Amino acid sequence: DTGVSQDPRHKITKRGQNVTFRCDPISEHNRLYWYRQTLGQGPEFLTYFQNEAQLEKSRLLSDRFSAERPKGSFSTLEIQRTEQGDSAMYLCASSPGQGASYNEQFFGPGTRLTVL
Amino acid sequence: QKEVEQDPGPLSVPEGAIVSLNCTYSNSAFQYFMWYRQYSRKGPELLMYTYSSGNKEDGRFTAQVDKSSKYISLFIRDSQPSDSATYLCAMRAPRTGRRALTFGSGTRLQVQP
Repeated sequence: DTGVSQDPRHKITKRGQNVTFRCDPISEHNRLYWYRQTLGQGPEFLTYFQNEAQLEKSRLLSDRFSAERPKGSFSTLEIQRTEQGDSAMYLCASSPGQGASYNEQFFGPGTRLTVL
Repeated sequence: QKEVEQDPGPLSVPEGAIVSLNCTYSNSAFQYFMWYRQYSRKGPELLMYTYSSGNKEDGRFTAQVDKSSKYISLFIRDSQPSDSATYLCAMRAPRTGRRALTFGSGTRLQVQP
């Protein structure tokens, strides 16, 4: 399977704990995005990387959230001191840097986070 | 008011019907328009991508963009039960360094066999 992969697929944690999610983009896609989706809503943008550089961050990305893409390949999203309001599906997407599809974002299956 | 508005449905149609899904938007800078299909508890799957105004057809799917009315549509011909899903519109303005997509809240479609 050469699509975007995310790990874990499900995470249940207690309020106050830290969690980390991983995203592996489509091979050779140099752009990577994180979105958050709550029930009944469309995905909301969190942040965007071009290679290892974090170029865009949403105001939704509070100081408890941090994202990295250290080698320009996979990315991690960490949430510190989780709150019940963080419960959501966290989606990763990637897109190529050039070519006919460079504006198209391809999504992974998501990580569903439940904060108890 | 949200930048992108989409009727949440659910929209229920019989198998074989033509389905029309729509979004309106307020930001005239949007130039790139996409439709995604999302099955329950899965990630969105890109169906159609169009740039600026006009029509685009791919199999049973046709996407239309009317920038003068700030209105986009997705038509599904010969709808199948397997088309039952939530359909999300998404759009973006061509601003350097800005890649974030703005999504509608999705329309839930049910195709009855």
